[in-house]
Amino acid sequence: DTAVSQTPKYLVTQMGNDKSIKCEQNLGHDTMYWYKQDSKKFLKIMFSYNNKELIINETVPNRFSPKSPDKAHLNLHINSLELGDSAVYFCASSQKGRARQMEAFFGQGTRLTVV
Amino acid sequence: LAKTTQPISMDSYEGQEVNITCSHNNIATNDYITWYQQFPSQGPRFIIQGYKTKVTNEVASLFIPADRKSSTLSLPRVSLSDTAVYYCLVGDGYNTDKLIFGTGTRLQVFP
Repeated sequence: DTAVSQTPKYLVTQMGNDKSIKCEQNLGHDTMYWYKQDSKKFLKIMFSYNNKELIINETVPNRFSPKSPDKAHLNLHINSLELGDSAVYFCASSQKGRARQMEAFFGQGTRLTVV
Repeated sequence: LAKTTQPISMDSYEGQEVNITCSHNNIATNDYITWYQQFPSQGPRFIIQGYKTKVTNEVASLFIPADRKSSTLSLPRVSLSDTAVYYCLVGDGYNTDKLIFGTGTRLQVFP
């Protein structure tokens, strides 16, 4: 069983479209995250979500919104996609507590290409 | 924002010890320093975590000096399968809610 799974693995879409990436974790973790990895392989946290507490990285445009139907799922919705949104998006999860937050389990990534 | 810097790339041969250093100014005082490994087309994978001095597990050692302005990941006797990108992860001293990944070091192991 995959601990953190995200779908789709690849997503190609046109500018201006709205898309979603789904993420599920079966580890029983309390906290879930979305990370963005750009073409230079830099990793940046976008959101962390813990029991209805959302911590947003202020550099993330409000076109990006996380939605959590339950503790095991954190989906990423993106409105009005732009070329610069092309990247690999990783979902991750961890237990509570600072040390555990830094010991996160990552999904395989979703490669988003905006054309 | 705390700044983290790693060498862009390193080369090594099988069986050698590899040390990768991450420089991080103004990290959160009470936070851990964590290292991840990433293979192509995969998500990062946790390797090791420490707060100060030295930590060792079955795959690596982590050295953290008293001033905590840097940390060094040590991989003993690397093999071809250790070829990957390695990232440090620290807490931001300016905003303790934030976690910041290092710039990443691409390690290439040759036979």
